[in-house]
Amino acid sequence: GESVGLHLPTLSVQEGDNSIINCAYSNSASDYFIWYKQESGKGPQFIIDIRSNMDKRQGQRVTVLLNKTVKHLSLQIAATQPGDSAVYFCAETNYNQGGKLIFGQGTELSVKP
Amino acid sequence: EAGVAQSPRYKIIEKRQSVAFWCNPISGHATLYWYQQILGQGPKLLIQFQNNGVVDDSQLPKDRFSAERLKGVDSTLKIQPAKLEDSAVYLCASSFQGGNQPQHFGDGTRLSIL
Repeated sequence: GESVGLHLPTLSVQEGDNSIINCAYSNSASDYFIWYKQESGKGPQFIIDIRSNMDKRQGQRVTVLLNKTVKHLSLQIAATQPGDSAVYFCAETNYNQGGKLIFGQGTELSVKP
Repeated sequence: EAGVAQSPRYKIIEKRQSVAFWCNPISGHATLYWYQQILGQGPKLLIQFQNNGVVDDSQLPKDRFSAERLKGVDSTLKIQPAKLEDSAVYLCASSFQGGNQPQHFGDGTRLSIL
């Protein structure tokens, strides 16, 4: 069945280091992927998205990599800051699903000062 | 640009009571979604509207949950009667036209069932 999962439920990094959060997806028909950041008591906040015709996309301090061969998605955060501490979710969908997102379990990122 | 607005932020009710949540999407967004997020899990779609029509309600427990978006703008989600397993955060999201476009979320309503 459809599923999007994360390899690591928790990740602890030192402030200033780079962070890498991984995600595996099982639906090979998925063609659109989003990373969200969720802080305690708040809704998911859009970080970056990528379509299946790309394998890399960069934003401000963040990079998303997509490997369709092994159905793997990663989020790289450069120079991680305490404000980056949150739960990160990957989500996937395809155009035929009209935008219905399938979310993974989430990875909790903890940044040590 | 104002974000997705939801109210109330918190609600505590006893099982078998009813409850309603309200959502006002980002102005101009045609597509509205309601998600349920159980503690420790990712959000799960309950229902999707395109303007005032339902696109997908396949995962909505229709014996107790209902939702409407009568004028194609704001929306309400109702639970009647509530069960203990309905304790969760109910999130509303909107996107410009649905499909492969970013969805933007409100901060949700945290529902506790006693």
